[in-house]
Amino acid sequence: EAGVAQSPRYKIIEKRQSVAFWCNPISGHATLYWYQQILGQGPKLLIQFQNNGVVDDSQLPKDRFSAERLKGVDSTLKIQPAKLEDSAVYLCASSLERSSGSYVYEQYFGPGTRLTVT
Amino acid sequence: AQSVTQLGSHVSVSEGALVLLRCNYSSSVPPYLFWYVQYPNQGLQLLLKYTTGATLVKGINGFEAEFKKSETSFHLTKPSAHMSDAAEYFCAVRGAGAGSYQLTFGKGTKLSVIP
Repeated sequence: EAGVAQSPRYKIIEKRQSVAFWCNPISGHATLYWYQQILGQGPKLLIQFQNNGVVDDSQLPKDRFSAERLKGVDSTLKIQPAKLEDSAVYLCASSLERSSGSYVYEQYFGPGTRLTVT
Repeated sequence: AQSVTQLGSHVSVSEGALVLLRCNYSSSVPPYLFWYVQYPNQGLQLLLKYTTGATLVKGINGFEAEFKKSETSFHLTKPSAHMSDAAEYFCAVRGAGAGSYQLTFGKGTKLSVIP
């Protein structure tokens, strides 16, 4: 079974530039998550999708960050314009969770995209 | 609201020694608790999880953790450390409500294994 795929793996940009990250979840996984992991900290959820709908984006800085999951499969996360404090690893994860389910499914993480803003 | 505190950002043990990584949580609802491991330049991999039932949970690679409600703890242990255990470990908590799939992570503990 293929895992969660992310690209690019590394990206260096200057502040005020734009950047986009791509994620392809495990086939059949209904829920997709984007996390931000700043150096020395644990991952922080930015946005959670259930199929192609947003379930939770309360921690997404909406003035500069946007995300979409067209057709309920792969997803893109965009930052425009980037700030120095956006330097982090952006992790995508997916799981089988469904809104009506009670079983606790594992979240499977991709390798992440390391963003450096200079 | 949920939070996780991991005591010790860096733990060093000798090869063959006991590994103990500490995690305390705060949750307003019965929690689901997780331990993840992260190797350099890789994503997170689930080691084990507690949902309901037995409070002693066994995971992969010989790790186990015990849920202690009275102490709000979920410490990770392994009887004998291997060099391959060197990595960063994250404790996470999730609320038990439907739809609340968000994981709240601790800051992580980096484990070094000394030969």
